[in-house]
Amino acid sequence: DTEVTQTPKHLVMGMTNKKSLKCEQHMGHRAMYWYKQKAKKPPELMFVYSYEKLSINESVPSRFSPECPNSSLLNLHLHALQPEDSALYLCASSQDRTGKIFGPGTRLTVL
Amino acid sequence: GENVEQHPSTLSVQEGDSAVIKCTYSDSASNYFPWYKQELGKGPQLIIDIRSNVGEKKDQRIAVTLNKTAKHFSLHITETQPEDSAVYFCAASTNFNKFYFGSGTKLNVKP
Repeated sequence: DTEVTQTPKHLVMGMTNKKSLKCEQHMGHRAMYWYKQKAKKPPELMFVYSYEKLSINESVPSRFSPECPNSSLLNLHLHALQPEDSALYLCASSQDRTGKIFGPGTRLTVL
Repeated sequence: GENVEQHPSTLSVQEGDSAVIKCTYSDSASNYFPWYKQELGKGPQLIIDIRSNVGEKKDQRIAVTLNKTAKHFSLHITETQPEDSAVYFCAASTNFNKFYFGSGTKLNVKP
């Protein structure tokens, strides 16, 4: 298994909803990442988990809450989002000193 | 921090021609340079990468060159095909966790 999977593919939510994005990899990678990508822009790093511990938070608002239940799973909990948070949310994983493998992303729309 | 500039922003070539995308970086400590291809509606796909101890790397029709002195690196695609049409991102990194992405190049290969 050489891929990162993400669910759901699309998500529409209201500003008062609570939802979660899920990411999974079975490559034995020990680093996992959340990125946000707006249209026609490069991905922006949000969070880095290394060995299941949060190692980098790029000053992301607290309405985004990451969680790493085990070495294969990464969640992003969403609460009280704003319309400007609408974007493609990408998960990625990597092993030590290797390139990141990205998942297909979740297209999020906040109404 | 690191600043990566990427040119051109759009590139149109005829099928069979070569395409070259160039990136410059500012931090001389950067030592890892991946290239990603992103097709419409998909996540970025790692297509080739190079480390600072290597000047050139080739994988079939794709090659990357690195000039550490001038702080620039380039992606070369030979014998382009319509399926090469996508957005290409370069990136630079010092620690493999945080990638500084270029702004992207939209490559259009005309049949």
